[in-house]
Amino acid sequence: ELKVEQNPLFLSMQEGKNYTIYCNYSTTSDRLYWYRQDPGKSLESLFVLLSNGAVKQEGRLMASLDTKARLSTLHITAAVHDLSATYFCAVGLMSGSRLTFGEGTQLTVNP
Amino acid sequence: ETGVTQSPTHLIKTRGQQVTLRCSSQSGHNTVSWYQQALGQGPQFIFQYYREEENGRGNFPPRFSGLQFPNYSSELNVNALELDDSALYLCASSLNRLSSGNTIYFGEGSWLTVV
Repeated sequence: ELKVEQNPLFLSMQEGKNYTIYCNYSTTSDRLYWYRQDPGKSLESLFVLLSNGAVKQEGRLMASLDTKARLSTLHITAAVHDLSATYFCAVGLMSGSRLTFGEGTQLTVNP
Repeated sequence: ETGVTQSPTHLIKTRGQQVTLRCSSQSGHNTVSWYQQALGQGPQFIFQYYREEENGRGNFPPRFSGLQFPNYSSELNVNALELDDSALYLCASSLNRLSSGNTIYFGEGSWLTVV
């Protein structure tokens, strides 16, 4: 059974600081997704990572994938309050839209 | 805007009742999945439909069933509702291609409360 673990589960950081969220998964996969979820809202797609060594960046967020280590990271640079949300990583094992999600990381950026 | 629309957005049902949730997929997407997200947890995969047939199922009992229509819209039906069924139900759509790197788009969800 595929397991996806994120850490930390809760992250409180100051504006301007950098931090990394980690996502470990237990089975070889060819697809790793990162999503953002605001309270009471649905999931917003951030990144799709498809190959070993893949790195993608959008604004203050950068995601990377190491398929050999079964590890993905989401790095936050110079955090701002607007980044406060819950971030999920999810692993795909077959074609289509079947994903296994981590527990989520609740990020709070304080002024 | 993901192009995936769900209805209703909120509903309240009584234990033992049945509910139908609906999803309209993004244009051109032939695969739809449903997820259950309990408060404070990550989404859990319920099942996936491809070309009107169930194509994968998570650890959910048979009282959770679904349909996909020729226009790729979809329904999630839950019978004999239990209190623990209270959750956000999310519909996701994608193109079903092997080794596809397509983005998977989620709808806004349907909030179900069972009392």
